[in-house]
Amino acid sequence: GAVVSQHPSRVICKSGTSVKIECRSLDFQATTMFWYRQFPKQSLMLMATSNEGSKATYEQGVEKDKFLINHASLTLSTLTVTSAHPEDSSFYICSALTDTQYFGPGTRLTVL
Amino acid sequence: QKEVEQNSGPLSVPEGAIASLNCTYSDRGSQSFFWYRQYSGKSPELIMSIYSNGDKEDGRFTAQLNKASQYVSLLIRDSQPSDSATYLCAVNWDTGRRALTFGSGTRLQVQP
Repeated sequence: GAVVSQHPSRVICKSGTSVKIECRSLDFQATTMFWYRQFPKQSLMLMATSNEGSKATYEQGVEKDKFLINHASLTLSTLTVTSAHPEDSSFYICSALTDTQYFGPGTRLTVL
Repeated sequence: QKEVEQNSGPLSVPEGAIASLNCTYSDRGSQSFFWYRQYSGKSPELIMSIYSNGDKEDGRFTAQLNKASQYVSLLIRDSQPSDSATYLCAVNWDTGRRALTFGSGTRLQVQP
């Protein structure tokens, strides 16, 4: 139980384009999901908390207009990186909250 | 700034030995503590959670929490080469939102 999926697992895009990443809880419902970012050899940094049916809560320093989060159902949250630039290249990981956080397998974004 | 500190390592132990991983945290009001294992290029997987002072054992893993010293540790008995990974300590200070703050991780190498 408590399986979280992410799609796509890997994406390469050109600078200036937008990329959408999906996070799904497969066998449970999650009112709350979290989005993290991990740069090479660094730890996970919380970007935002995604709440079903309401606006996401962004951490300090994370641009809400650049990283659009939509939590439209109890099993799906999406993160859209708008106007992506090479510095946005990173490993994006979501988690879904039940008794604890269960992590998705991550999405590796490369912006050329 | 609430912080979680870990020694980056690498911590090298021979196969069959006990590996001891340590973590300190800055906020005395923290309530929940977690150890995650992360293999290179993968997302974190939960090993253990601990909420009260003392030891908690699960198979070869023992988590130890000392809230007075703001210290949490993970012991891995009978270490195996497959245990070689980065171990992340995570702390929840906001029991309402339940977001996690991660340490930078300790890289463990188990030598065959």
